[in-house]
Amino acid sequence: EVQLVQSGAEVKKSGESLKISCQGSGYSFTSYWIGWVRQMPGTGLEWMGIIYPGDSESRYSPSFQGQVTISVDKSISTAYLQWSSLKASDTAMYYCARQGFYGDHEGDNWGQGTLVTVS
Amino acid sequence: QSVLTQPPSVSTAPGQKVTISCSGSSSNIGNNYVSWYQQVPGTAPKLLIYDNNKRPSGIPDRFSGSKSGTSATLGITGLQTGDEADYYCGTWDSSLSAYVFGTGTKVTVL
Repeated sequence: EVQLVQSGAEVKKSGESLKISCQGSGYSFTSYWIGWVRQMPGTGLEWMGIIYPGDSESRYSPSFQGQVTISVDKSISTAYLQWSSLKASDTAMYYCARQGFYGDHEGDNWGQGTLVTVS
Repeated sequence: QSVLTQPPSVSTAPGQKVTISCSGSSSNIGNNYVSWYQQVPGTAPKLLIYDNNKRPSGIPDRFSGSKSGTSATLGITGLQTGDEADYYCGTWDSSLSAYVFGTGTKVTVL
């Protein structure tokens, strides 16, 4: 069974750094892209960026370029989303998703989400 | 501001059919595959449709997708209370070099 398991909820203060994780299992982790999606309270889905675990190639949405860093440790089948200095506006639910299983950019399996609260 | 526009909400009675539109442009829907996602409140999104009209294993054939030009449509027949959720279209935008989601549509079963 394909699973993406994300790290737990975080409560941080503005200016602090944060790294959340997404561990894949049940499939060849290095063969498919992992994307990150933001959902701010009461709003829709926003695609942040993507990483290919096979070679660590990453791409970012223009809206998030320079705001976050996506990385991967393929030895433990885990992708990361990182902030160097959080802002209150980063308060949101963050989802990871496997993208490209069917050959395009669709997200076919999703993590359970990580709630980040910044005060 | 999303580049894909959906109606904010649709509602209908149980057992009826509902369609949800997703309007884009030549840089996204017009030249790329469209996917559809269902998000029940408090849960992660779930893929319903990929490649415009294909269903992943386990998705009932009550859900269908189509695309024409720069618009796509999700259809749901035999509506059930369990179908109450937010629905999003998604596709690659070649101009932005980014995946984009629609604004989302809330489906209510009256």
